[in-house]
Amino acid sequence: DQQVKQNSPSLSVQEGRISILNCDYTNSMFDYFLWYKKYPAEGPTFLISISSIKDKNEDGRFTVFLNKSAKHLSLHIVPSQPGDSAVYFCAASAGAGAQKLVFGQGTRLTINP
Amino acid sequence: DTGVSQDPRHKITKRGQNVTFRCDPISEHNRLYWYRQTLGQGPEFLTYFQNEAQLEKSRLLSDRFSAERPKGSFSTLEIQRTEQGDSAMYLCASSAPRVTGGLDTQYFGPGTRLTVL
Repeated sequence: DQQVKQNSPSLSVQEGRISILNCDYTNSMFDYFLWYKKYPAEGPTFLISISSIKDKNEDGRFTVFLNKSAKHLSLHIVPSQPGDSAVYFCAASAGAGAQKLVFGQGTRLTINP
Repeated sequence: DTGVSQDPRHKITKRGQNVTFRCDPISEHNRLYWYRQTLGQGPEFLTYFQNEAQLEKSRLLSDRFSAERPKGSFSTLEIQRTEQGDSAMYLCASSAPRVTGGLDTQYFGPGTRLTVL
């Protein structure tokens, strides 16, 4: 039962343009959502998060949007840079504090010069 | 480097052998997590410690798997009688409570890649 889904295994974007990564979830109990970035041979690195009481959170070039009614979130990266090429994981959690994260399958983003 | 460290980074073993992995969290973090990642999938939660107490275990963690955090610092994950299906990347993460509340930020180590022949 895949509670968090990233339906696009890969995405290719031109440098300087906007990258949009999508994520859907099924569990209504999830109330925190996160994006992690992973380079080869490294562990996932936290990027940005959003609580279910918000519908948008912004941090520099990265913005996460949450649509609770559609159970959908997206990560926007603008402008995209070559160093953004990585695998991006969407994750969700039910509750604050220390909670297990439920991850999606990941989307490989490639930024072309 | 004060990040999460894991040892070894790679382990190749034969089916039926026992293996043990170690995780050293960020020093001030009292919460430690283990995840497993197979090819083409995201990390899957295995277990979680707060200090030395193991507070949650996934159904994925069969009786061949055991994790410990004896002094509330480093943790070990042991797999007994390994099977080919155990081949995966084993990731450790640590976190500390946020002063402002909300969800902890989990910081991941580089992982231990296990290959069972």
